[in-house]
Amino acid sequence: DVKVTQSSRYLVKRTGEKVFLECVQDMDHENMFWYRQDPGLGLRLIYFSYDVKMKEKGDIPEGYSVSREKKERFSLILESASTNQTSMYLCASSLLQGVTGELFFGEGSRLTVL
Amino acid sequence: GQQVMQIPQYQHVQEGEDFTTYCNSSTTLSNIQWYKQRPGGHPVFLIQLVKSGEVKKQKRLTFQFGEAKKNSSLHITATQTTDVGTYFCAGRNFNKFYFGSGTKLNVKP
Repeated sequence: DVKVTQSSRYLVKRTGEKVFLECVQDMDHENMFWYRQDPGLGLRLIYFSYDVKMKEKGDIPEGYSVSREKKERFSLILESASTNQTSMYLCASSLLQGVTGELFFGEGSRLTVL
Repeated sequence: GQQVMQIPQYQHVQEGEDFTTYCNSSTTLSNIQWYKQRPGGHPVFLIQLVKSGEVKKQKRLTFQFGEAKKNSSLHITATQTTDVGTYFCAGRNFNKFYFGSGTKLNVKP
């Protein structure tokens, strides 16, 4: 079974802190995604990556950056956390580049920024 | 920009009643996927529809993709308490997935 592992289930940070959210997948998927999930808004795409060192902005990239140094790992970085970044963050991966494959999600990281 | 609208936002049904959620896109989609998220869980893939007018069934769940590939629906017949959760559609346009806001289903026993 595909496994997508997010490093932290729950985090509490202070405004202005730098936050790292780590995601690792074990099935050699080319595609990796970061979403945030907020009530009533569904899942909104922050960034995605189709290959090592490659990244593309999603719909809400402001305030975020990403890093993909290895194929299995995709990190989301909040350079200076703000209260409006309090949310559930979901990492996902999929198999096929250019052709839709199902998304496999991690368990999520619930971030609270005080 | 690309939008996928999903209704209703919430649905409360008595066990045994039917349930339907609808998705509409502002543009034509390559395909559409459906996911289920149980309370406290993460979204899990249910199905993908690709062809215009396609209908697929999974036991009590029926999925449809519109002729114009702009709308889709998920229908559950005779709901059970195990159907509780939030159902999301995700439309694909080129290399991006656009998620609907989800329909939260509550089933009263």
